[in-house]
Amino acid sequence: DAKTTQPPSMDCAEGRAANLPCNHSTISGNEYVYWYRQIHSQGPQYIIHGLKNNETNEMASLIITEDRKSSTLILPHATLRDTAVYYCIVRKWPWNTPLVFGKGTRLSVIA
Amino acid sequence: DGGITQSPKYLFRKEGQNVTLSCEQNLNHDAMYWYRQDPGQGLRLIYYSQIVNDFQKGDIAEGYSVSREKKESFPLTVTSAQKNPTAFYLCASCKGPYTDTQYFGPGTRLTVL
Repeated sequence: DAKTTQPPSMDCAEGRAANLPCNHSTISGNEYVYWYRQIHSQGPQYIIHGLKNNETNEMASLIITEDRKSSTLILPHATLRDTAVYYCIVRKWPWNTPLVFGKGTRLSVIA
Repeated sequence: DGGITQSPKYLFRKEGQNVTLSCEQNLNHDAMYWYRQDPGQGLRLIYYSQIVNDFQKGDIAEGYSVSREKKESFPLTVTSAQKNPTAFYLCASCKGPYTDTQYFGPGTRLTVL
């Protein structure tokens, strides 16, 4: 699976949009971009995934660049409960291998 | 209430003792996974099982053992051969090997004194 690069930490004001970048410049055609988050001392939680089109669900939006070499996870109105470590993961189809986690981005939402 | 259960949340053991961590799921998922997390680090894969009675080593299997005798259960034994066992252990499952989402349990924090 392709490697990902994320900033180690970011801050965001409560109520503002949090935009978390991820670089995956070596991504191949059958690799999907996944996002998980981990609140302190809990298990990771699935957020969203996509292949090449932008995706949106009740938690977040995922914007993937046209060349697929980078993506951005958007939390439209960040709250204090969104403070967590966010992991960007590239996963090859077929999904018969476990997720591989990097160090992620620690997002701090500030009141 | 469906989900993944890990017990206990905190576990203390003396050095040299084997300890078994429990992971149970009632989601009817075929695949189950064990990860280890150290402070400030991402998750590292210890073992995984895609079907009953079968499992594969992950990146850091040395000093650990698993069994998968039942679909709903995937216990992890931390043996005395594991040199640095103090860590946060996370169990996960997914419906099948071709399913997109892994669901995680709440974790067990193991401290070896």
